[in-house]
Amino acid sequence: GAGVSQSPRYKVAKRGQDVALRCDPISGHVSLFWYQQALGQGPEFLTYFQNEAQLDKSGLPSDRFFAERPEGSVSTLKIQRTQQEDSAVYLCASSPAVGAGYTFGSGTRLTVV
Amino acid sequence: AQKVTQAQTEISVVEKEDVTLDCVYETRDTTYYLFWYKQPPSGELVFLIRRNSFDEQNEISGRYSWNFQKSTSSFNFTITASQVVDSAVYFCALRVQGAQKLVFGQGTRLTINP
Repeated sequence: GAGVSQSPRYKVAKRGQDVALRCDPISGHVSLFWYQQALGQGPEFLTYFQNEAQLDKSGLPSDRFFAERPEGSVSTLKIQRTQQEDSAVYLCASSPAVGAGYTFGSGTRLTVV
Repeated sequence: AQKVTQAQTEISVVEKEDVTLDCVYETRDTTYYLFWYKQPPSGELVFLIRRNSFDEQNEISGRYSWNFQKSTSSFNFTITASQVVDSAVYFCALRVQGAQKLVFGQGTRLTINP
């Protein structure tokens, strides 16, 4: 596609519910990143994939957060048993090569009530 | 560890004024890359510029200019003759050699009033 596509655009979840956020990177982009952006803050790194391999997951805040990219293209960020502090915008970015520039999607705004 | 500080939380100016957004970074790495991104209300981060640590030459792109000074660990961004369309949140970010993740500052919300 022309850009990085994320869905849904908005998600409201009840506390304790599981959610799945989807990222469609630009076709052919090798690298894929997830970032979490709390209200009024800068994005914070969650995890990084190179093709289907998850090379860095040091930013995942707890074991309730899980990301996958099984075929090296679409990625899903799953949050289990959501809590209020998980409320944030989740941004996905992709890059054509290691170290190249990133293109960000518009994000998914998750609100946990 | 790396850190990026954008001390200005919000700036508001009248259209056509010049405005400078400050960015100070911390890293012990000698090779690194600095970025500026614009985040309009639609939410996506729009890439503006990337500089590497060995290139301190200032850059100008239309109304935008960047001043990189290693001596003060700063990478400031100036908009000349600001326009209402420049209103957005601007982020400075850092990536060190060998790492893939970006470390972002807190952002500066810029409002240009007509």
